[in-house]
Amino acid sequence: AQSVTQLGSHVSVSEGALVLLRCNYSSSVPPYLFWYVQYPNQGLQLLLKYTSAATLVKGINGFEAEFKKSETSFHLTKPSAHMSDAAEYFCAVNPRVGNTGKLIFGQGTTLQVKP
Amino acid sequence: EAGVTQFPSHSVIEKGQTVTLRCDPISGHDNLYWYRRVMGKEIKFLLHFVKESKQDESGMPNNRFLAERTGGTYSTLKVQPAELEDSGVYFCASSQRQGFNEKLFFGSGTQLSVL
Repeated sequence: AQSVTQLGSHVSVSEGALVLLRCNYSSSVPPYLFWYVQYPNQGLQLLLKYTSAATLVKGINGFEAEFKKSETSFHLTKPSAHMSDAAEYFCAVNPRVGNTGKLIFGQGTTLQVKP
Repeated sequence: EAGVTQFPSHSVIEKGQTVTLRCDPISGHDNLYWYRRVMGKEIKFLLHFVKESKQDESGMPNNRFLAERTGGTYSTLKVQPAELEDSGVYFCASSQRQGFNEKLFFGSGTQLSVL
């Protein structure tokens, strides 16, 4: 069965510092992986997705993630944090059953950015 | 273009009462998903509609939950009778094309509190 684990429910960084949000997955088939972000009082918004093309995926707002099969990881990074990056981030995997967009989510990581 | 809209944004009810949540997907999106996040836990899939048909309802917790999508437009999720453990945030998402890497557009959710 597919699953997603996000290490760290809360991450705090200083403005301008590197952002690293960790995600490990378990999947019996080649995975399709996603990162979503939820800003306060808004819906989840797709940041980026991996669908078996390039292992380094670039997303919106300067975020990127690297798919590492050997480590079963899909960590999200951003070189320099902005105050506006404060939000909750969700890693997700598509279990690839029935050709649908059904997702299995991790527990979420809240990113705090300090001035 | 309007996004996915959910009503109400918050609902506070007493145990045993009935609550109906509504989701208006983006116009033209045949796929509609319901997800739920119980406090402190991950976002979990509830069910998937393709137009008016239930494609997958494997995530529905029990028969106190009833989802409908008459006419293939908006959807409702009724909880009757509500229990304390039903508290959480209910998200709706829609998409245009079905597939493993389909892009889901999420609403901002309905916060349900059962007292």
